[in-house]
Order: sequence, then structure tokens, then C-alpha cells
Amino acid sequence: DAMVIQNPRYQVTQFGKPVTLSCSQTLNHNVMYWYQQKSSQAPKLLFHYYDKDFNNEADTPDNFQSRRPNTSFCFLDIRSPGLGDAAMYLCATSRDRNYNEQFFGPGTRLTVL
Amino acid sequence: RKEVEQDPGPFNVPEGATVAFNCTYSNSASQSFFWYRQDCRKEPKLLMSVYSSGNEDGRFTAQLNRASQYISLLIRDSKLSDSATYLCVVKGVNTGFQKLVFGTGTRLLVSP
Repeated sequence: DAMVIQNPRYQVTQFGKPVTLSCSQTLNHNVMYWYQQKSSQAPKLLFHYYDKDFNNEADTPDNFQSRRPNTSFCFLDIRSPGLGDAAMYLCATSRDRNYNEQFFGPGTRLTVL
Repeated sequence: RKEVEQDPGPFNVPEGATVAFNCTYSNSASQSFFWYRQDCRKEPKLLMSVYSSGNEDGRFTAQLNRASQYISLLIRDSKLSDSATYLCVVKGVNTGFQKLVFGTGTRLLVSP
């Protein structure tokens, strides 16, 4: 089945230790998004890629970076995780930028010790 | 003021009940509206889009009131499997990319 896959599903890291979360999709969608969702809060868009074009949200900390080496894969790099970065990180895709439906992966739950 | 506001609940209802959620949005120029469903510790999934004329999908009915800037979701004949968090989503208004803005969700608990 076509889908959005995230690995790992659970990630534990230490304060300040860089971590990379990965997302892949078999939908061949042009757009890939990264959201951060903390407990009982709304998903918050960090950035998105429209094809190879990277678009950062204005309030996304510099600590968060992303890479999209090809259409199928997108990575979220957290350079120096703080305790406040513990959250669920959701990857999503959409066929195009203004296409209404976004398809979410199952998320990676990040714990920072 | 948040862009999208919802009552967090929880709404506790018995099976078979009818339950309604409302959501308000702040940007009067918003064009597109959605309800997403999110099960506990799972990803959000699109439940339905909300059209100006209102729309129905089985037991679910969505309404849009542009004048008052609110969106509603009505669930009839609630099932145990309807227990989830319902996220109100508004497509932001920008030139070019229009991002989805999520509410914090309304939690529904359906009991036997």
C-alpha cells in the first residue's frame, strides 16, 4: 500500500546529542512536511519541502534542520536537542502545495533525557 | 488570540448519542476548512472537508458559518470507535503556500 513511513517510531536521545528522524513516502507526492506535536497541543508546522525547495516557518528554531535528498525521503535533524524538544514529530505529504489533503506518517516520539 | 480555537473537552457521551463540536477561526479570509481525526498516540487523518453548503458523510455532518467564523461537526448515533480527538483545521491565507493551521482538538469519549 502507498504510504508515509517514519523511522524510528520511538527515539531516545540525550540532552545536546544530535538526532535524525527519517520519513519516506511511496505516494510520489511533491510536498513533504515536518510537524511537531506536543501533548494536548496542535501539530505545529516546522518546515516543508516543495520538491527540492525548502521552506522554513518563521518561528522554527535554528536547532531544527531538514534534508530531502530525493522525492521519497526527507530527514529532520535536531542539532542539539533540549528537554523542550521532546514531542511527537509527524511527517506528512501532499500531492501539491495547495492540495487540500495531507497524508501523515505514524510519527516518531522523541524523548530527551 | 489563537488562529483556530476548540473546546478541548473531553465530551463524554453514551453509545447512540448525538454530539456536536464547534470550532472558531480568526482569519475571515480563510478559504478551506477540514476536520481531522486523531486517535490516541496516532497520526491525524482527514475525516472530512467542510463546504460552505455543509456536507454529510454517513453519521457525520459538517457545517460552516462564515459570518460567525465557526465550523461545526455533528456525530449522530455515536459508536465506541468514534472515541478520538477531533482536530479543526483551517487553511491559512498567504500568497503561494497555504499552510494548514490545526486547532488543539476536542476529545470525544464514547462509553457503552
